[in-house]
Amino acid sequence: QKEVEQNSGPLSVPEGAIASLNCTYSDRGSQSFFWYRQYSGKSPELIMFIYSNGDKEDGRFTAQLNKASQYVSLLIRDSQPSDSATYLCAVNTGFQKLVFGTGTRLLVSP
Amino acid sequence: EAQVTQNPRYLITVTGKKLTVTCSQNMNHEYMSWYRQDPGLGLRQIYYSMNVEVTDKGDVPEGYKVSRKEKRNFPLILESPSPNQTSLYFCASSPKGTGSYEQYFGPGTRLTVT
Repeated sequence: QKEVEQNSGPLSVPEGAIASLNCTYSDRGSQSFFWYRQYSGKSPELIMFIYSNGDKEDGRFTAQLNKASQYVSLLIRDSQPSDSATYLCAVNTGFQKLVFGTGTRLLVSP
Repeated sequence: EAQVTQNPRYLITVTGKKLTVTCSQNMNHEYMSWYRQDPGLGLRQIYYSMNVEVTDKGDVPEGYKVSRKEKRNFPLILESPSPNQTSLYFCASSPKGTGSYEQYFGPGTRLTVT
């Protein structure tokens, strides 16, 4: 079992819809969770991080964490074509180690 | 401008020819790390450094070396590159490690080993 799993997609949504991206992790001791966005040919950039169970909102983005079920999700409201990218889930498993999922490709159609 | 720079951005080389990819950050970050990104495998950590002269292995260190003689620089060395090291490489830095802080990524170096 991979440490951090994501559906590779692509996840296709129409403009204005809510995109829901999911991630599961295997290490119950994981403490912090990150969502990065990566455009094709570019480097990852941080969108959000979350440490506590529940929801965390930042503009159009909401991160959700459920440690009991070992999943973290990212909701993007009012999706725009410019949101089309690969979204990487990353989990801090301790020992200065950040483990990344393979990413979910999101396509937002006009 | 706060940034992480990498050089070269693109490199094509032959098996066995030693090469160095440089990484430099101007944010006075203590933590630096190298990743490789491969299709279907995602980003995997090669080495990381908590501070000057402090380095440790990540998940895929075989075939790579690093050094941290200055806080701002963290070069990645491939002593004898092989085709399976063909990949996209990213350097990243963070104020104090990966637990609570954002990692800032460099633009990437695309390496091809023939």
